[in-house]
Amino acid sequence: DAMVIQNPRYQVTQFGKPVTLSCSQTLNHNVMYWYQQKSSQAPKLLFHYYDKDFNNEADTPDNFQSRRPNTSFCFLDIRSPGLGDAAMYLCATSREGWTEAFFGQGTRLTVV
Amino acid sequence: QQQVKQSPQSLIVQKGGISIINCAYENTAFDYFPWYQQFPGKGPALLIAIRPDVSEKKEGRFTISFNKSAKQFSLHIMDSQPGDSATYFCAASLDTDKLIFGTGTRLQVFP
Repeated sequence: DAMVIQNPRYQVTQFGKPVTLSCSQTLNHNVMYWYQQKSSQAPKLLFHYYDKDFNNEADTPDNFQSRRPNTSFCFLDIRSPGLGDAAMYLCATSREGWTEAFFGQGTRLTVV
Repeated sequence: QQQVKQSPQSLIVQKGGISIINCAYENTAFDYFPWYQQFPGKGPALLIAIRPDVSEKKEGRFTISFNKSAKQFSLHIMDSQPGDSATYFCAASLDTDKLIFGTGTRLQVFP
């Protein structure tokens, strides 16, 4: 049973055209994370929510925004995608901090 | 201080052999050390994890060895199988802080 679901699995967007990636979870975890993973690299944390508290990493570009309307859903908005933003975007959840994190299958974003 | 160094970058092992991946950290406050397995096109999945109060943890063919004084930990995959071919990431965290991932090791197990 899928526990962290990301949609879409593949997204192609035009350079500069806003795009939204979505994540939902059935685990009722209070922490949700967004990671960016470029080819052959480690996942890089963009930001995370602890309940409704938003925590932005210092080096996350302003081009990246996030929304969490409720416990189950979280969105990643890229306001003006550049070619360098092409990557796999991973959503993850955990309960109260950084013990086991459950990852979704990711959304592969292509910018053309 | 926040880095986790992982080696080797890639590893080729014969079926039935032992795969060993090593990680080192600097921050002595880290208290949780998981290993994640990632197949192409999939998200990482937790494989095994250890806390620093034990020196070894074994789950099936997978063993974590932890050396607190050396600030190193390693993953051993016994009887490696072609199905183990994947990228492995070590990570470290504090209970209330973020996961810091290593750079990853691409393992290929040949029949």
